[in-house]
Amino acid sequence: NAGVMQNPRHLVRRRGQEARLRCSPMKGHSHVYWYRQLPEEGLKFMVYLQKENIIDESGMPKERFSAEFPKEGPSILRIQQVVRGDSAAYFCASSPEQGAGQPQHFGDGTRLSIL
Amino acid sequence: AQTVTQSQPEMSVQEAETVTLSCTYDTSENNYYLFWYKQPPSRQMILVIRQEAYKQQNATENRFSVNFQKAAKSFSLKISDSQLGDTAMYFCAFMISSNFGNEKLTFGTGTRLTIIP
Repeated sequence: NAGVMQNPRHLVRRRGQEARLRCSPMKGHSHVYWYRQLPEEGLKFMVYLQKENIIDESGMPKERFSAEFPKEGPSILRIQQVVRGDSAAYFCASSPEQGAGQPQHFGDGTRLSIL
Repeated sequence: AQTVTQSQPEMSVQEAETVTLSCTYDTSENNYYLFWYKQPPSRQMILVIRQEAYKQQNATENRFSVNFQKAAKSFSLKISDSQLGDTAMYFCAFMISSNFGNEKLTFGTGTRLTIIP
């Protein structure tokens, strides 16, 4: 299966710790998007990256959250000093470089629980 | 800013019946794309169907079809001959068509659809 791969599937952290979520896009895809889904809610856009560039981070909280998509390796969403309100499902999606309106293909998500 | 509204939090229908899920959106853009995604209990996000705003013809994918009314900013999803595997949350989503090509998705709050055996 060459789909979008996210790991870990489940992540448990205590308040104040750091969480690192990883996403490998589909083969041939160079655009990566991160979304957050709070319980019983829809997905909310966080950040849009291409290799080594952040294109749109308008949905990212200003503090504690950062994202990167290095030249080599997966995209990383990093949450520092986690709080209870960070508990959510975090989805990564990818799309190919060419063509407007390309559907975004989603990974299975990482469920982050903060104790 | 774009907004997407799904006014039906929950729906249920008997197996083999037809069901329509509603979605309206608000935008000042003329060129954009609309999508329906399905999220079953496994929590995966699965693309159901895609519509280009500049196409008048409604998109269809097997048992799934849309009724796209651009002037009314309405984008409903019809599921024909519903099956138990259609039980899921359904999200309507909007994407601007930009010169850059790829843009973020704006999602509605979802409709929880239950297919009753």
